[in-house]
Amino acid sequence: DGGITQSPKYLFRKEGQNVTLSCEQNLNHDAMYWYRQDPGQGLRLIYYSQIVNDFQKGDIAEGYSVSREKKESFPLTVTSAQKNPTAFYLCASTGDRDQPQHFGDGTRLSIL
Amino acid sequence: GQNIDQPTEMTATEGAIVQINCTYQTSGFNGLFWYQQHAGEAPTFLSYNVLDGLEEKGRFSSFLSRSKGYSYLLLKELQMKDSASYLCAVRDQGRGGGNKLTFGTGTQLKVEL
Repeated sequence: DGGITQSPKYLFRKEGQNVTLSCEQNLNHDAMYWYRQDPGQGLRLIYYSQIVNDFQKGDIAEGYSVSREKKESFPLTVTSAQKNPTAFYLCASTGDRDQPQHFGDGTRLSIL
Repeated sequence: GQNIDQPTEMTATEGAIVQINCTYQTSGFNGLFWYQQHAGEAPTFLSYNVLDGLEEKGRFSSFLSRSKGYSYLLLKELQMKDSASYLCAVRDQGRGGGNKLTFGTGTQLKVEL
């Protein structure tokens, strides 16, 4: 089945540590997105990529980094510079501008 | 930038009809999406409006008025499983193009017996 796979489902970060969240899609979608969701809040855009080897900052990019070396993969690194990383992280993709974004099941990141 | 407003919470009765409103301000409107999100899960797509009018899809309908910056999601024959957060998201053509969405904070709907 085609879809978006995020891993791990739960992740714990120690102080000063970088962690990487995986997002893989087999939908042949060009565009991929990373969102952060805090309790009782909507989704806020961290980074997005419309094509391989290109990505743009979203509204809250500070403390995060991404890469897009393959069409299928868009990993997100939460760096030690992100002082409040505890949140639910969602990855999405879309193949056409008139089509909705499809979401992965999310990764819940917590601080140890 | 964009500003999207939705009510924070709503309560309705099983079998009833509920309307969830969304107002937005944007410099380059290019479509509005509604998503449903159950607690701890990913959002799932419900509807898409880019032209004025009503889009109907089973028990769910969505309306758009671009001149008023207004949309609503209408849920009919409410079921207990409809208890969820409903997210309004606006696509803005003016910010680098692409399919970048700005989400509202969501409306938490509680369906009661």
